Amino acid sequence: NAGVTQTPKFRILKIGQSMTLQCTQDMNHNYMYWYRQDPGMGLKLIYYSVGAGITDKGEVPNGYNVSRSTTEDFPLRLELAAPSQTSVYFCASSGGPLYEQYFGPGTRLTVT
Amino acid sequence: GENVEQHPSTLSVQEGDSAVIKCTYSDSASNYFPWYKQELGKRPQLIIDIRSNVGEKKDQRIAVTLNKTAKHFSLHITETQPEDSAVYFCAVPNSNSGYALNFGKGTSLLVTP
Repeated sequence: NAGVTQTPKFRILKIGQSMTLQCTQDMNHNYMYWYRQDPGMGLKLIYYSVGAGITDKGEVPNGYNVSRSTTEDFPLRLELAAPSQTSVYFCASSGGPLYEQYFGPGTRLTVT
Repeated sequence: GENVEQHPSTLSVQEGDSAVIKCTYSDSASNYFPWYKQELGKRPQLIIDIRSNVGEKKDQRIAVTLNKTAKHFSLHITETQPEDSAVYFCAVPNSNSGYALNFGKGTSLLVTP
């Protein structure tokens, strides 16, 4: 199993550009999550999903959108990128609520 | 996260010593308490977790203790080794959803030989 995979690994965006961060898992997990990690600030939840077709906002959803059309994929969309969105983005999945979360390798995004 | 505080933010110990990291939470209904380890440039990985029906759990050199009355839980690492150097995060269930986790800000542990 590849586990949780994310693409791209690195990306530089100009202010106002848009992009989609891809996340795929092959563990047949219903629960998937997007976090952002800023230096010294831990992991903040952006969006999460409890199954295909169901998504909900986390702690810091502004400026982001998600969709969950399949169990495997949970893409994160950034519209009108801003410097405040410079961060490392992690996708994660789990087999159930309050079970071990398996993280992807992360995407390092810089907005200039 | 808004409902979990983690201390200290940095911790330096000598190899062989013990390290303790503490997290305090606010929601008395919280029932799941994991600890994640993140090595430099890597993804977070679960190292141990505990549920509210037990007070302590051990896995070799790592243990987690839970005090539900005081609403805090702690990570204990004994006989520390240089490879234990990493950032450690505690987490508690998100009060609104119950499905997701709120993470503490992390503790950077340095184990010096």
